[in-house]
Amino acid sequence: KNEVEQSPQNLTAQEGEFITINCSYSVGISALHWLQQHPGGGIVSLFMLSSGKKKHGRLIATINIQEKHSSLHITASHPRDSAVYICAVRSLKGSARQLTFGSGTQLTVLP
Amino acid sequence: DAGVTQSPTHLIKTRGQHVTLRCSPISGHKSVSWYQQVLGQGPQFIFQYYEKEERGRGNFPDRFSARQFPNYSSELNVNALLLGDSALYLCASQLDTGIAEAFFGQGTRLTVV
Repeated sequence: KNEVEQSPQNLTAQEGEFITINCSYSVGISALHWLQQHPGGGIVSLFMLSSGKKKHGRLIATINIQEKHSSLHITASHPRDSAVYICAVRSLKGSARQLTFGSGTQLTVLP
Repeated sequence: DAGVTQSPTHLIKTRGQHVTLRCSPISGHKSVSWYQQVLGQGPQFIFQYYEKEERGRGNFPDRFSARQFPNYSSELNVNALLLGDSALYLCASQLDTGIAEAFFGQGTRLTVV
């Protein structure tokens, strides 16, 4: 079992729909990141969370530390939101505190 | 301010060859991490360097090595390339090794033929 599991793997939505992407993890963490990756490959950091909820524009990220679960919500989705969304956790173990990534959710928003 | 820069952006190598990938972190950031992303998967941790010292290593063979220079830029070296080394190699820059936010470069797309 991977340390970070995302669902769904693929998601197709119509423009304007409300979208939810889920992330579950099995290790103790100091922070959780939501990242966006476009076809060119570059990764953009959307949120870094250690508790509660954060909002930026149409994006909302929540985390429940007790349940080891986080969600990324997109309101009023738009075709430009089409990308791979990746959840990554920073483990409490080890000195490197490296990021462990989920396999990503491919989101396609149709006009 | 320049973000994280990686070079080259694309590279084609033959099996058995050696490759060097380069990363310049954001100014003031002292930590650089390297990740390998195979098509269709999430990135996998390779190395982290902080203040020119290796602070962590992922589950990669000894063919993979890295170093960090006094200006905090970093090189990732891969010897005796295999077809399976074909991937996007990502560099992430952080202020330190703690929970500071990570900033990613555009990656180097390595194809081994």
